[in-house]
This record gives sequence, C-alpha cells and structure tokens, in this order.
Amino acid sequence: NAGVTQTPKFRVLKTGQSMTLLCAQDMNHEYMYWYRQDPGMGLRLIHYSVGEGTTAKGEVPDGYNVSRLKKQNFLLGLESAAPSQTSVYFCASVRGGGGETQYFGPGTRLLVL
Amino acid sequence: GQNIDQPTEMTATEGAIVQINCTYQTSGFNGLFWYQQHAGEAPTFLSYNVLDGLEEKGRFSSFLSRSKGYSYLLLKELQMKDSASYLCAVRDRATGGFKTIFGAGTRLFVKA
Repeated sequence: NAGVTQTPKFRVLKTGQSMTLLCAQDMNHEYMYWYRQDPGMGLRLIHYSVGEGTTAKGEVPDGYNVSRLKKQNFLLGLESAAPSQTSVYFCASVRGGGGETQYFGPGTRLLVL
Repeated sequence: GQNIDQPTEMTATEGAIVQINCTYQTSGFNGLFWYQQHAGEAPTFLSYNVLDGLEEKGRFSSFLSRSKGYSYLLLKELQMKDSASYLCAVRDRATGGFKTIFGAGTRLFVKA
C-alpha cells in the first residue's frame, strides 16, 4: 500500500495562474481532508469530504475549490493563485467516523510569486 | 465555533519529563488527538482520547477532561529525537460526518 500520496511535491506559480493538487489514497477511506500549514498557524482545514461525490467547506475555503469524483482521489484547485496562498498543503484520509487516526500525505510546497 | 490553545514553545532536558497542555472549545466533541510533526515532515499520530482519563503508550501518555475542555500530553525519558512540534487536534461533528481541527502546535526543544 502506498498510503496517501500527493502530486506535485513542489510547485512555483505566478500570481493569477491556476493549478490542481492531487491527493490519492489506496486504503478505501471514506473521509478525506485538505489542510494548509503556515508558520505559527498550525494546520488549517480548507475543505473536506465525507464520501465520494461530497465536499464541504472547512475553516479557510476562500480561493480554493475541491472535487471528489472518485473515492480514492481528492483534488484541490486554485483558480487564480495569490501570494497569500503560499503554503505547505497536506492531504489526509480517515477510514470512517470513529476515533481512527488521520493518515497524512507528504505535503505539497507551493510558492506563489 | 472551535478554538484550541496550546503553548507556542517549550524547552526541556534530555531524560526529563515534559507536559504539554491543550485547552479546547467545540460544539460537537468526538475525540482528541495528539500528533507529532518533525520539521519538513507530515504529522504522525501519537494518541487518541475520547473518554476522560489517562491513556498510556510507552513513553507517551495523554490525558483528557471533557468537562474542563482540557488535555495534556506527557513525554517521559525525553530523547533528543523528541524535538518536534506537537499538535493537539479535536474531532468535531460536522455536516455529514466529522472534521478535525488542529491547534497551532507546541514546538518542543530537547537539550542535552
């Protein structure tokens, strides 16, 4: 099992450009999450999904969109990147609604110039 | 809404014991997690509490008091490799399921 993988690992964008971050998990997990982590801010929830075809907003959803067309994939889109979106993005998945731990991907480092 | 507070930084000596506190406010509490995160890496799971009391796992223990909205992570016999950030996270009921909200993390420095 690969666990949770994220593509790409690192990306540099110019202001106004768009991109999609891909998160994939091979554990048949129902729940998937996108977080961003900035220095001193901890992990902040952007969007999450409780199952295939469903998405919901987290703490900081503005400027991002998501899709969960397949259970194993959770895509995070930036339509028009801004320097404020420079961050490290982590994806995580959980099997279900109990006390299971979240499994994190390795992170995507995004720099918006 | 949700709010999670934990100290920004702590320093302790190798071989000692350190306690990292976490207080939280949430509307639909469904469990509290502690994660360890080394610089440049993803968080990794340490412990989970859903009922009041102490959970012990080797050198790490975690305590929860739901009535006080309080938890702590206890690290014993500190090692240099324990230098990392420790994240307190609360699982909260949300639309259609659950979501996990993280505190800002406590950066622990272990000195020789």
